[in-house]
Amino acid sequence: TQLLEQSPQFLSIQEGENLTVYCNSSSVFSSLQWYRQEPGEGPVLLVTVVTGGEVKKLKRLTFQFGDARKDSSLHITAAQPGDTGLYLCAGARGGKLIFGQGTELSVKP
Amino acid sequence: EPEVTQTPSHQVTQMGQEVILRCVPISNHLYFYWYRQILGQKVEFLVSFYNNEISEKSEIFDDQFSVERPDGSNFTLKIRSTKLEDSAMYFCASSDRGEVQPQHFGDGTRLSIL
Repeated sequence: TQLLEQSPQFLSIQEGENLTVYCNSSSVFSSLQWYRQEPGEGPVLLVTVVTGGEVKKLKRLTFQFGDARKDSSLHITAAQPGDTGLYLCAGARGGKLIFGQGTELSVKP
Repeated sequence: EPEVTQTPSHQVTQMGQEVILRCVPISNHLYFYWYRQILGQKVEFLVSFYNNEISEKSEIFDDQFSVERPDGSNFTLKIRSTKLEDSAMYFCASSDRGEVQPQHFGDGTRLSIL
C-alpha cells in the first residue's frame, strides 16, 4: 500500500507566525503536488515539484521536494488569516495521485 | 483560466438506482481521472483514462463502475446500482500529458444515496 503521511493534521496559529507542513512516504513519487481545498470545492493546485531537491516559492509559500523524491514540505512565512484552509499533498505514481490526509490550517488575526 | 466543470453539483439517488456523473475536462487535456472523497476521509483515486480506454483503476472501481468519453468534450462516471457506501464527493480531474503533469480538479459532485 502506498501511503503519504501528512502532518500535522490540524494547526492553529496567530497571524504573523511561520509554519511548516510535512508529507512523508516510503515510496518514490515521480512528482508531488500541493493543493488547497475550500469547503464544498475541489482541490486547487498550488504547485508541482518534480526534481529531487527542488524548491519552489509562491509568494510567502515555499515548497520543497526531498532529494529522494519521497517527501515534501510546505513552509508558510508570516501567515495571514487568508491562508486559513485545508492543504493537501499528493504524490504522483503511475499516473494516479495518492493523497495525504490533509492539514487543516487556522490563522487567527 | 480554463477549468474542469462537473454536473450536477449535488445528486440524491435511491439505493439501487443508476447514476451518471458528468465532467467536462479542460479542452486540450488528454488524461482524465475520477477520484472520490468520503466525508472526513482522504481523496481516493478511482480510475484514469487515456486514449479512449482505462489506464489504471483502483480496487474501489469494481464492476458497478464504468467510465466513458461519449464525445470530444464529456467524460462520465456511471454507477450501475448504487449502494449507501457510494455516498461521497466525486471529483473529476484532467491533465495535459501524464505522470509528472499537474492534475486540475473540478468542484465535484456530492452524491447522496438514500
